[in-house]
Amino acid sequence: KAGVTQTPRYLIKTRGQQVTLSCSPISGHRSVSWYQQTPGQGLQFLFEYFSETQRNKGNFPGRFSGRQFSNSRSEMNVSTLELGDSALYLCASSSGSYQETQYFGPGTRLLVL
Amino acid sequence: TQLLEQSPQFLSIQEGENLTVYCNSSSVFSSLQWYRQEPGEGPVLLVTVVTGGEVKKLKRLTFQFGDARKDSSLHITAAQPGDTGLYLCFRSGSGTYKYIFGTGTRLKVLA
Repeated sequence: KAGVTQTPRYLIKTRGQQVTLSCSPISGHRSVSWYQQTPGQGLQFLFEYFSETQRNKGNFPGRFSGRQFSNSRSEMNVSTLELGDSALYLCASSSGSYQETQYFGPGTRLLVL
Repeated sequence: TQLLEQSPQFLSIQEGENLTVYCNSSSVFSSLQWYRQEPGEGPVLLVTVVTGGEVKKLKRLTFQFGDARKDSSLHITAAQPGDTGLYLCFRSGSGTYKYIFGTGTRLKVLA
């Protein structure tokens, strides 16, 4: 099985712009979760989608949003970028069952200038 | 907040040494996972512990879940340079704190 893929791998944006990141889960997985990783805050949960519905949401402002398509692929969007949004954004997929193992992609590294 | 505190934060040791990483929480959790993340990659699952007092071994790595299910430890015997990476404990909860990662332990093993 192919692993979780994320595109793009690297991205440079300027303050005020918006960005869309993409995640393709492992085939058959219906749950996709997104995380933000920074040196100061570590790995923080953004949101989880299951069967096209947001199932859980972390403690992030409304500028961070996401969606999931019928083929389980997911996108996350960050609007009005701030310097502090510079981070590694990771997505993980799983079957969606309770405490099921999450499989992570390599991440998208976003730099906001 | 339901934090997972890890210690130490950083660890630099010589090849062949032993080390222990700790993961502590103020709340009880039903299970805990340990991940390792290498530069440029996402975290990879090492083990899941479920039962209080449980001990699991993965080659030179020994994982323990505290009796009260509030803490866990990871012990590496005879560390090797290939063990270098960021070690993260992780638990699943609910709502805003659906998925919580520990603060992380960055390990560097010198040849």
